[in-house]
Amino acid sequence: EIVMTQSPATLSVSPGERATLSCRASQSVSSNLAWYQQKPGQAPRLLIYAASTRATGVPARFSGSGSGTEYTLAISSLQSEDFAVYYCQQYNNWPPVFTFGPGTKVDIK
Amino acid sequence: QLQLQESGPGLVKPSETLSLTCTVSGGSITSSPYYWGWIRQPPGKGLEWIGSISYSGSTYYNPSLKSRVTISVDTSKNQFSLRLRSVTAADTAVYYCARQVGATDCFDPWGQGTLVPVSS
Repeated sequence: EIVMTQSPATLSVSPGERATLSCRASQSVSSNLAWYQQKPGQAPRLLIYAASTRATGVPARFSGSGSGTEYTLAISSLQSEDFAVYYCQQYNNWPPVFTFGPGTKVDIK
Repeated sequence: QLQLQESGPGLVKPSETLSLTCTVSGGSITSSPYYWGWIRQPPGKGLEWIGSISYSGSTYYNPSLKSRVTISVDTSKNQFSLRLRSVTAADTAVYYCARQVGATDCFDPWGQGTLVPVSS
């Protein structure tokens, strides 16, 4: 099983500042990596897939990058609606065994 | 716009079987190359993939749950279902259904989720 780790566990950021979240896989996932945003009481929402492609309707302030085992989600200028928990997920295995990271909570500084 | 909605009993007793259904609207469950998945989230914790199914019935399960899980599809009702046997309190979670574009892909969109407590 591919184990996903995320850092930091919590990131305190002021509105308007840039946030950078990290995700690491225990082995290469070949850019088969997605990022989700989850707000309290809501289902996760897909933000980024294939490591760097924004999903439909996702603002341009969200960007993904990385390859191999190291991936990053950047939020260029945090808006109030961006304070949430962010999860990464790999979907590289065959047969499929999908795994999520433990999440990074982005809260208001 | 594709929408998914989970439904099922609100409470399950230990050792019994948890059964949930996901109803797909705004699109056909038989559309290729989509797969349909179940993911769960214990209260205050992270996300765990349970398993996925194609419209033709091909299934993939999380090895940690495989011995207790069955996922099935009913194309006539545009639904797919989850059965989790021999539940314990550790199975208490919000259960989500979601669509995948292909057998190895991410999940989008998701249903709103349903909380299933396991308690006597």
